[in-house]
Amino acid sequence: EVQLVESGGNLVQPGGSLRLSCAASGFTFSSSRMNWVRQAPGKGLEWVSYISGGSSTKYYADSVKGRFTISRDNAKNSLYLQMNSLRAEDTAIYYCTTEASWGQGTLVTVSS
Amino acid sequence: DIQMTQSPSSLSASVGDRVTITCRASQGISNYLAWFQQKPGKAPKSLIYDASSLQSGVPSKFSGSGSGTDFTLTISSLQPEDFATYYCQQYNSYPLTFGQGTKLEIK
Repeated sequence: EVQLVESGGNLVQPGGSLRLSCAASGFTFSSSRMNWVRQAPGKGLEWVSYISGGSSTKYYADSVKGRFTISRDNAKNSLYLQMNSLRAEDTAIYYCTTEASWGQGTLVTVSS
Repeated sequence: DIQMTQSPSSLSASVGDRVTITCRASQGISNYLAWFQQKPGKAPKSLIYDASSLQSGVPSKFSGSGSGTDFTLTISSLQPEDFATYYCQQYNSYPLTFGQGTKLEIK
């Protein structure tokens, strides 16, 4: 069974940093393309970032480019999202996703 | 960026009804379209990929069709557990983009 478990969400002040993690199991993580998708409170879904299985290709939404960095550790079956210079508009539930599965999400709140 | 437009934004239906949700892409995306179901307080769940292929374990009451720019999700014989918000998503090119969602409510 595919499992994706996000962690690292928290309350952080504007301008602060946070690192999200996603622990994956039940599938061949090293060959799987992975994405982060977020959902602001009461809003729709917004794609954030993509990383290929071998980390050679990465993409970012314009809204986070230059502030967020996606990475992975295939030896640990883990996906990461380093978030810097956080803004109030980054407040959302962040989901780790494969092409068919989603984690339960982790809440990031940016507020003073 | 490819814009995805869903209609309607909300829909009221009764148990046993058949409903159709439409998703339109701002440019052709072949069949690179997925549909997701989201219930309140839960993560989205993948229903359909490649416009018409059912994910494993998804009941056949859900069906998708379309290619190019126009797509539909049809849900037959609505049951109480089907009332949720539905999103389409294109994966023809990055950035991935979602429709704004269709909230399916009980009449």
